[in-house]
Amino acid sequence: DADVTQTPRNRITKTGKRIMLECSQTKGHDRMYWYRQDPGLGLQLIYYSFDVKDINKGEISDGYSVSRQAQAKFSLSLESAIPNQTALYFCATSDAGVGNNEQFFGPGTRLTVL
Amino acid sequence: QKEVEQDPGPLSVPEGAIVSLNCTYSNSAFQYFMWYRQYSRKGPELLMYTYSSGNKEDGRFTAQVDKSSKYISLFIRDSQPSDSATYLCAMSASGGSNYKLTFGKGTLLTVNP
Repeated sequence: DADVTQTPRNRITKTGKRIMLECSQTKGHDRMYWYRQDPGLGLQLIYYSFDVKDINKGEISDGYSVSRQAQAKFSLSLESAIPNQTALYFCATSDAGVGNNEQFFGPGTRLTVL
Repeated sequence: QKEVEQDPGPLSVPEGAIVSLNCTYSNSAFQYFMWYRQYSRKGPELLMYTYSSGNKEDGRFTAQVDKSSKYISLFIRDSQPSDSATYLCAMSASGGSNYKLTFGKGTLLTVNP
């Protein structure tokens, strides 16, 4: 089984709809991250969490919110989706005790907002 | 100027060629230098990392860091079709700021049989 899983893998929604992307991990890591990936822009950090009670905004948090339900679960919500949020979304985890902060990525969710 | 610059390619080479992928950066606080490989429709996975300056070799892959020039490279020897992927460089500072990875845009590599 995959260590970092994301659901759904693909989602098409309409402008104004609320949508939640979910991430679960079995690696036992404390740190979890949400990124979006756009062609030509690379990976951009949306939110990150060091533990259940420590959640922080990343570079591009506007229009997004997150919830860390447990050490293993980190959800990303788009309260009112807009077309420029169409992108590939990745969840990642890392072990706080590792110096290089190697991040382990999930398979991604392809989101299309019409 | 972006913190990390990476030529997006695409780069197309014949099987067996030596491939050179490069990134430049501007933040002198970066201490960890990483290369991630991302296959189509998959998440990135760490290929190699180097701390501070120097070279690191792992099989057909060699990572080089030149901090004086703020330049990092990944070399792939005897490239194989299975190496076809997007390669992302990533960097971070050490200590409490190591959580934040700054990524290049990625270079799409195709190795033709």
